[in-house]
Amino acid sequence: DVVMTQTPVSLSLAIGQPASISCKSSQSLLGTSGKTFLNWILQRPGQSPKRLIYQVSKLYSEVPDRFSGSGSETEFTLKISRVEAEDLGVYYCWQGTHFPWTFGGGTKLELK
Amino acid sequence: EVKLVESGGGLVLPGASLKLSCIVSGFTFSDYWMRWVRQAPGKGLEFIGEIKPDGSKTNYAPSMKGRFTISRDNAKNTLYLQMSSVRSEDTATYYCAQGWFAYWGQGTLVTVSS
Repeated sequence: DVVMTQTPVSLSLAIGQPASISCKSSQSLLGTSGKTFLNWILQRPGQSPKRLIYQVSKLYSEVPDRFSGSGSETEFTLKISRVEAEDLGVYYCWQGTHFPWTFGGGTKLELK
Repeated sequence: EVKLVESGGGLVLPGASLKLSCIVSGFTFSDYWMRWVRQAPGKGLEFIGEIKPDGSKTNYAPSMKGRFTISRDNAKNTLYLQMSSVRSEDTATYYCAQGWFAYWGQGTLVTVSS
């Protein structure tokens, strides 16, 4: 299975600060289609996960543009330009290139 | 509005069987792959398996193969997860998800304990 490693495990930031979360995969996530199926989801406290970004950098329509994703092959980053209160929770990267689909261990974003 | 509602969780004895359901609305169920994911208390997300839109094919994570069976009834807009010979390590919240984890249900908690 592809191992997804996220760092840091937790992040404590004030509202308005930028955030950056790293996700590394044990194998390249570049698929035979030429697409890279690296995605991000957010699980707010007490809630189920919600979609954020797909194929590395594409934001779902409801996601604010303060979020961005980047990376290639085995190294990926999720950035938030200015953290807002609603951004708190656990961020997971997950890969959809190699079956079985696997998730990172999560990065908890907390308020300082 | 897309909605997924899981049910069927609860307290079960080790070795027992349990069937979870996920009733969906707000989209054409029969057009989508559907997936199950679980989350042990305080832990991360673990993929269980998936089922093709017409129900003709299922795929399971190797660690889940053998004790979990995914099925669906497109006429009832319902996805199922049959769990057998449950053990304490199966204690988790079980989520159904649409397609590429685009939408998730609220989850149903399964607690395996004597």
